[in-house]
This record gives sequence, C-alpha cells and structure tokens, in this order.
Amino acid sequence: GQQVMQIPQYQHVQEGEDFTTYCNSSTTLSNIQWYKQRPGGHPVFLIQLVKSGEVKKQKRLTFQFGEAKKNSSLHITATQTTDVGTYFCAGHDSNYQLIWGAGTKLIIKP
Amino acid sequence: GAGVSQSPSNKVTEKGKDVELRCDPISGHTALYWYRQRLGQGLEFLIYFQGNSAPDKSGLPSDRFSAERTGESVSTLTIQRTQQEDSAVYLCASSASGTGYNEQFFGPGTRLTVL
Repeated sequence: GQQVMQIPQYQHVQEGEDFTTYCNSSTTLSNIQWYKQRPGGHPVFLIQLVKSGEVKKQKRLTFQFGEAKKNSSLHITATQTTDVGTYFCAGHDSNYQLIWGAGTKLIIKP
Repeated sequence: GAGVSQSPSNKVTEKGKDVELRCDPISGHTALYWYRQRLGQGLEFLIYFQGNSAPDKSGLPSDRFSAERTGESVSTLTIQRTQQEDSAVYLCASSASGTGYNEQFFGPGTRLTVL
C-alpha cells in the first residue's frame, strides 16, 4: 500500500540552529498536510500544500511540496524552545484517506 | 462543542477486562477517525467513519477491537479482553468530510493502561 516515509526519526539541535524534516511518498500525493504534536499533547494541524512545487511560510517555518508531488519538507529557521515536539506529515491518497508519516521528534538543547 | 472531546482522559484496567472509549467530534463533522499511539511512536490508524458507516476498518488490530458511531456524532471504541500490549493513547479526530482534503482535528486522547 501507499506509504509516506519521514526522516529523520529524531533530531537534536542547539537552540538557534535550523531544523528540517523530510517526507517521501511511494506514489503521487494529492496534497500534503503538516501537524505538530507537543510533548504530552495531541497533533495540531499546521498547514496544507496542494500545488506542485508549492512553498508556504509561517513565520520561521517554511513548507515545500515537491514538483512531482511525492516529497515535502518542513524547515524551521533559528529554532526556539517552543518548537519542541514531533512533526508529522500526511498526504491524502486517491480514496481521500490520510496516510501519515512516522514523525520527526525535534529536541532542542538550551 | 468547540473541539473534539474524549472520555475518559485516563483509564487503568486489569488484563482481560473490557473497556469503552468515547469520542465526541466537532458538531457537523461527518468524518471521524480513531488512532492508537504507543509511547514515543507515530499514529497507528484504527478505523474511519463517514457518517455512521465505517468504510475502512483495515486498521483494527484484532477482533477484540470494535467501534461504532451513532447519530453521525458520538463514537465508541471498545476493546474486549484487554491485553498489556493494548496500553497506549487512543486518539480520536474529526474532519468536515471524509471525501476531501480536509484537516483533521484531534481530541486530547484517552491514555489506556492495562495492568
């Protein structure tokens, strides 16, 4: 079945360093969504990308959707302690089912 | 309600007992999802409802797990004869529709501990 691979599983950064997580799908995705789960919390929707090659920014966060709609990335510039958590990507398949990546846990060293 | 609610927030049970977990989705949301999240792990899809019907039950781990939804609203996830490996956080999410690219809104989860 369709899979979304997400790497890395964990990333440790010093506060102020940048962070990037990558998602790759075995097949073309209809869209890509990104969610953030704070420690002890539940996933919260961040953004959705639909168009090939789309780039969206939210303050220090930059989201990209690949030209082939098979990969996506989330880049955080100058991480802060409030960025701590697990970031999940997810994409809809042709049956509108959301296929989730395994998540990347961001750990920040103060 | 304003968001997705789940009850109980915590449940401790003994191995072999049955448990029932409840989810109240956002009013008007026709799609409802159940996930399981083991400690430090990702989201494991269990079941999806569109209205009151479940077109996708592929994620239910065994026949001990069942779920129903009534009135296109409340859903219950039942685990019979609980086992220690059932210990996890069970998350419920709803979306406006299951036939579109809608975001999912999650509840706070039920933390299940099987002793």
